Amino acid sequence: NAGVTQTPKFQVLKTGQSMTLQCAQDMNHEYMSWYRQDPGMGLRLIHYSVGAGITDQGEVPNGYNVSRSTTEDFPLRLLSAAPSQTSVYFCASSPGLAGGGSSYNEQFFGPGTRLTVL
Amino acid sequence: AQRVTQPEKLLSVFKGAPVELKCNYSYSGSPELFWYVQYSRQRLQLLLRHISRESIKGFTADLNKGETSFHLKKPFAQEEDSAMYYCVLADRGSTLGRLYFGRGTQLTVWP
Repeated sequence: NAGVTQTPKFQVLKTGQSMTLQCAQDMNHEYMSWYRQDPGMGLRLIHYSVGAGITDQGEVPNGYNVSRSTTEDFPLRLLSAAPSQTSVYFCASSPGLAGGGSSYNEQFFGPGTRLTVL
Repeated sequence: AQRVTQPEKLLSVFKGAPVELKCNYSYSGSPELFWYVQYSRQRLQLLLRHISRESIKGFTADLNKGETSFHLKKPFAQEEDSAMYYCVLADRGSTLGRLYFGRGTQLTVWP
């Protein structure tokens, strides 16, 4: 299994450009999510999905769109890039949020995409 | 309101010394807490969860509901423990159990 894969690894954009960050998992996980990691801020949830066709907003959704047409893929779209979106983006997946014993399933993270917006 | 507080951004200890990474949380219900770790050039990964009450790589963490804390401890730090550590809270109050990350503590273990 490749686990969670993300492309590209690095990206530089100009203000106003749009792009899509790709995320795929081959573990048949229902739950997928996108986080951004900023210095001193930890990870903040952007959007998440509990299954194909179902998405919802996280903590910092503005400027981002998502869709989930298949179980495997969960792309993140930047509509009009801004310097404030310069960050490292992580995709994560898990079988579901609650596993056996009422415990939350382990989140599996991708390697990250480092995005710079000039 | 910040649900997870990690007061130390940076923490340095010498090899063989005890280490404690602090985590305090704010949550009205019954929380589920985790420690995630990110080693240099590796992915973020689960280290341990409070519900398992296990020791992983010599690390333990006890949930103290009275003090609303979930500190991570290891009696004898090793150089390979150098990494970024995140305390994470699962919000059972929301519909889908969102995760809240602390800001992280960068641990450096000197030889």
